Amino acid sequence: DQQVKQNSPSLSVQEGRISILNCDYTNSMFDYFLWYKKYPAEGPTFLISISSIKDKNEDGRFTVFLNKSAKHLSLHIVPSQPGDSAVYFCAADSEGAQKLVFGQGTRLTINP
Amino acid sequence: NAGVMQNPRHLVRRRGQEARLRCSPMKGHSHVYWYRQLPEEGLKFMVYLQKENIIDESGMPKERFSAEFPKEGPSILRIQQVVRGDSAAYFCASSPRASSGNTIYFGEGSWLTVV
Repeated sequence: DQQVKQNSPSLSVQEGRISILNCDYTNSMFDYFLWYKKYPAEGPTFLISISSIKDKNEDGRFTVFLNKSAKHLSLHIVPSQPGDSAVYFCAADSEGAQKLVFGQGTRLTINP
Repeated sequence: NAGVMQNPRHLVRRRGQEARLRCSPMKGHSHVYWYRQLPEEGLKFMVYLQKENIIDESGMPKERFSAEFPKEGPSILRIQQVVRGDSAAYFCASSPRASSGNTIYFGEGSWLTVV
């Protein structure tokens, strides 16, 4: 059972526009959510996180939105830059578990 | 990714051999995690360790896989009698403490190829 789902395997966005990556989860015990960015042959790099007590967290060009009732989170990148081209993973954790559950990833391509 | 050191980065083993992957956490971090990424899939949790203790190994295959984090030295993920299905990227991560809302930081990964 896939507790964290990223239903779009890939996304293509024009440079300068907004990129929106989506993630759905099923486990209501999840209380902390993270986004990681990954380049080929490298490890995941932490981008931004959000606690379940919030519905929005912003860091520079990156904003994460959490809709608990819909069990949905999204990552907005604006403006998108060529260096943003990578695979993006959302991950979730539950209180004290220390065990991130990852989605399958979305490959983002920023076109010049 | 700065700080979490993994080696080797690439490892080729024949079926039946043993693979040992090493991980040194970031300075000041006492919690280590191992994740595995199979081709075209997301990362899957394997094991969570603190110094000299396995806290959660619910993601580890029951046989052939073991992990340790000794008092001195790096954490080791050991795979005995490797099979082709063990070919994957193995990522180590670390964190300074165990608490909800704790971000973990990943290393560059070790790519295991079984031939």
